[in-house]
Amino acid sequence: DTEVTQTPKHLVMGMTNKKSLKCEQHMGHRAMYWYKQKAKKPPELMFVYSYEKLSINESVPSRFSPECPNSSLLNLHLHALQPEDSALYLCASSQPQGRTDTQYFGPGTRLTVL
Amino acid sequence: AQSVTQLDSQVPVFEEAPVELRCNYSSSVSVYLFWYVQYPNQGLQLLLKYLSGSTLVKGINGFEAEFNKSQTSFHLRKPSVHISDTAEYFCAVSELKGYQKVTFGTGTKLQVIP
Repeated sequence: DTEVTQTPKHLVMGMTNKKSLKCEQHMGHRAMYWYKQKAKKPPELMFVYSYEKLSINESVPSRFSPECPNSSLLNLHLHALQPEDSALYLCASSQPQGRTDTQYFGPGTRLTVL
Repeated sequence: AQSVTQLDSQVPVFEEAPVELRCNYSSSVSVYLFWYVQYPNQGLQLLLKYLSGSTLVKGINGFEAEFNKSQTSFHLRKPSVHISDTAEYFCAVSELKGYQKVTFGTGTKLQVIP
């Protein structure tokens, strides 16, 4: 099974709201990633968790707060977002520290900030 | 540092015709290359990957790619396309930087014309 699931599929929120995105995988992968993808652009890396510890933060604003409660789950907490944060948010997983390993992507959450 | 170039932003092709999507890379170390496909409003799906061994790699949905070290290319081909192949295609290269860093090309939109 190479499935990564993400909920919700769509999310509309105001700039004062607090919401969370959820990602789950059961492939035994110990690295999980959050990407942001704007229309007609490739995915941009936001965060990397390796063995449930945050290892990379690509200078992401603090209004995005990741959390990895266990090896299968990855959350992205959202607070006080801006309209320019509207995008497709993709989660991925892989074995950590393996250049030859494949990242498997979830279907994404389409976020609209009003 | 590694980089990926997809020179064609859009490729229109008639149904049942062959197609080639071009990808060139630059790397100073061993290369691990991937092609991902993204259907509208969906996440990324792995088409195929080159890690080592045979330079001709076969993937899902009838796609194949050939690794050419001298030309630093990894072009994607399909002998006969179907309407359902209409999607965005991303070439990617991975490297180890304490985590698996994937660098994506800018993508090629394959538009299959009936």
